[in-house]
Amino acid sequence: KNQVEQSPQSLIILEGKNCTLQCNYTVSPFSNLRWYKQDTGRGPVSLTIMTFSENTKSNGRYTATLDADTKQSSLHITASQLSDSASYICVVSYTGGFKTIFGAGTRLFVKA
Amino acid sequence: DTEVTQTPKHLVMGMTNKKSLKCEQHMGHRAMYWYKQKAKKPPELMFVYSYEKLSINESVPSRFSPECPNSSLLNLHLHALQPEDSALYLCASSQVNSPLHFGNGTRLTVT
Repeated sequence: KNQVEQSPQSLIILEGKNCTLQCNYTVSPFSNLRWYKQDTGRGPVSLTIMTFSENTKSNGRYTATLDADTKQSSLHITASQLSDSASYICVVSYTGGFKTIFGAGTRLFVKA
Repeated sequence: DTEVTQTPKHLVMGMTNKKSLKCEQHMGHRAMYWYKQKAKKPPELMFVYSYEKLSINESVPSRFSPECPNSSLLNLHLHALQPEDSALYLCASSQVNSPLHFGNGTRLTVT
């Protein structure tokens, strides 16, 4: 069964600290994996997209990793800011790219 | 600001009303999507249009009727909705195997 699982469900960290969010998937045939950030009441915004052959991709303070063998991805946030408070959603595409499965998301709260 | 524009931002409608949600993008994307998102849940795919043709319908009830008049526009026609249809409706566009670009959604309340 095609599935995307994210952990933790929610996370509270202090401003300035680092954190890592996890995404495990069982999707076949794999096309790509994307991380999105969704602020409350807004649409999701793409942070990174990774294909099978990519291991690491950075976007500012966000660094995503992908291990296609173990079917795991992580999103590392460095030096967190209050504006990082949002839901982070892992999305895996398969069968040519149109079919996607969304993870349930990790709700991150950054406190001063 | 997002490059996918959705109108209206908020909509309140009764169960007997007919209304439409609109979505527009000018990025040249040939795939457009409708998603439904309930509070604290991830978006759920409803429809996919590819090159202006409906390619995926995720068994959505017929009270939701999509329309793609041209490559830049996507509509979602609503009729005889139920209170449980209240949600954030997100439009997205993309090229194949490229990230989805989402609009900020229409917050729909059915009374």
